[in-house]
Amino acid sequence: GAVVSQHPSRVICKSGTSVKIECRSLDFQATTMFWYRQFPKQSLMLMATSNEGSKATYEQGVEKDKFLINHASLTLSTLTVTSAHPEDSSFYICSARDVAGGQETQYFGPGTRLLVL
Amino acid sequence: GQQLNQSPQSMFIQEGEDVSMNCTSSSIFNTWLWYKQDPGEGPVLLIALYKAGELTSNGRLTAQFGITRKDSFLNISASIPSDVGIYFCAGPNDYKLSFGAGTTVTVRA
Repeated sequence: GAVVSQHPSRVICKSGTSVKIECRSLDFQATTMFWYRQFPKQSLMLMATSNEGSKATYEQGVEKDKFLINHASLTLSTLTVTSAHPEDSSFYICSARDVAGGQETQYFGPGTRLLVL
Repeated sequence: GQQLNQSPQSMFIQEGEDVSMNCTSSSIFNTWLWYKQDPGEGPVLLIALYKAGELTSNGRLTAQFGITRKDSFLNISASIPSDVGIYFCAGPNDYKLSFGAGTTVTVRA
């Protein structure tokens, strides 16, 4: 299947700093990518939809100024957690939407573990 | 997104046994996706179903797309220790994915 990568896989930062997470579709182009957050023992929670060449759309309750998303190319979306605080510590996962051949699938990245001290 | 109803929530099985889990929805889906997530990893796509009634296999995994388009099941045959993990069903709903709550599978050796 298609491959989606995330970088970094793990990051520790101090409170108040910003952290950027990259999501890349390695062997297909994705006009739409998604960013999720996952708490322990829970399902994935959609944060925002990243659209290539246009603004991201955020789910209710997700602060767009806090979680900046940039989808500058068909293979790369970035999520920047600005002024991170300990409550932002979580597992962040991206996915990329593949509609090759008219069949829709989403492939997930391996996730990024963020710990804010 | 809209939650799919996935059951069972968890299961303990003996190595070698077959496993079955299912998802239902009150809405019609045109695609059903089954993922497995290991601890600390992102979900990995196991099987994608695109046609009502379709039965698809991937090794020891078999999944079916219900003919009403409102349900799907996943079977794992002859389970082995590496089958441990959380299995999610999902379906695109206006391009966003709706997820089941997951089935946690634990295999007893």
